[in-house]
Amino acid sequence: DAMVIQNPRYQVTQFGKPVTLSCSQTLNHNVMYWYQQKSSQAPKLLFHYYDKDFNNEADTPDNFQSRRPNTSFCFLDIRSPGLGDAAMYLCATSRARDILLSNEQFFGPGTRLTVL
Amino acid sequence: GENVEQHPSTLSVQEGDSAVIKCTYSDSASNYFPWYKQELGKGPQLIIDIRSNVGEKKDQRIAVTLNKTAKHFSLHITETQPEDSAVYFCAATFGLGTSYDKVIFGPGTSLSVIP
Repeated sequence: DAMVIQNPRYQVTQFGKPVTLSCSQTLNHNVMYWYQQKSSQAPKLLFHYYDKDFNNEADTPDNFQSRRPNTSFCFLDIRSPGLGDAAMYLCATSRARDILLSNEQFFGPGTRLTVL
Repeated sequence: GENVEQHPSTLSVQEGDSAVIKCTYSDSASNYFPWYKQELGKGPQLIIDIRSNVGEKKDQRIAVTLNKTAKHFSLHITETQPEDSAVYFCAATFGLGTSYDKVIFGPGTSLSVIP
C-alpha cells in the first residue's frame, strides 16, 4: 500500500549527540512536512518542503535541520539534542493544492525520540 | 494570527452515547477542515474532512458541520464504541503561497468511551 514510512519508530540518543530521523513516501506527493509533538499536545510544524524548496517555521530552533534528496525521502537532523527535544516526530505529505482546494495530509506513524 | 481553538479538552461518554467536539478558527480564508484521530503511540489518521463550500458531511457514525460565517466547525460521533477512545484533533488550513497549505491543529480532545 502507498504510505508514509518513518524509521526508526523509536530512537534513543545522548544529550548533544547528533541524530537523524528518516521519512519516506510512496505517494509521490510534492509537499513533505516535519512536526514535533510533545506529550498531550498538538503536532507543531517545524518545516516543510514543496518539491526542493525548504520552508522553515519562524520559531523552529536552529538545532533542527532537514534534507530532501529526492521526492521520496526527507530527513530530520537534530544537531545537538537537548532534553527538551524528546518528543514524537511526525512526517506528513500532501499533494499540492488543486486550484483553490486544499488536500489532506497523510501522516507517518512517528518516531519517538528519547534523549538521555 | 493563525489559531484554532478546540473544546472540550477531555470528554468522557458512556458507550452508545454521542460525543461532540467543537472548534473555531481565526482565518476566514481557510477552506479545508480535517479531523484527525490519534491513538496512543501512533500518528494522526484522517477520519473525516470538510471543505468550505459544504455545510455538513457524514460518514457512517461520524459527521462534521461547518459554519463559515461564525468560523465554527464540529465533529459528531454517534453510537460511540470503546474503540473510539483516542485523541481527536481538529485542524484548519492556511494558504502558503499559491500551491500548498499549512495545517494548524487545535489542541486536541481526549475522548474516553466507557463500556
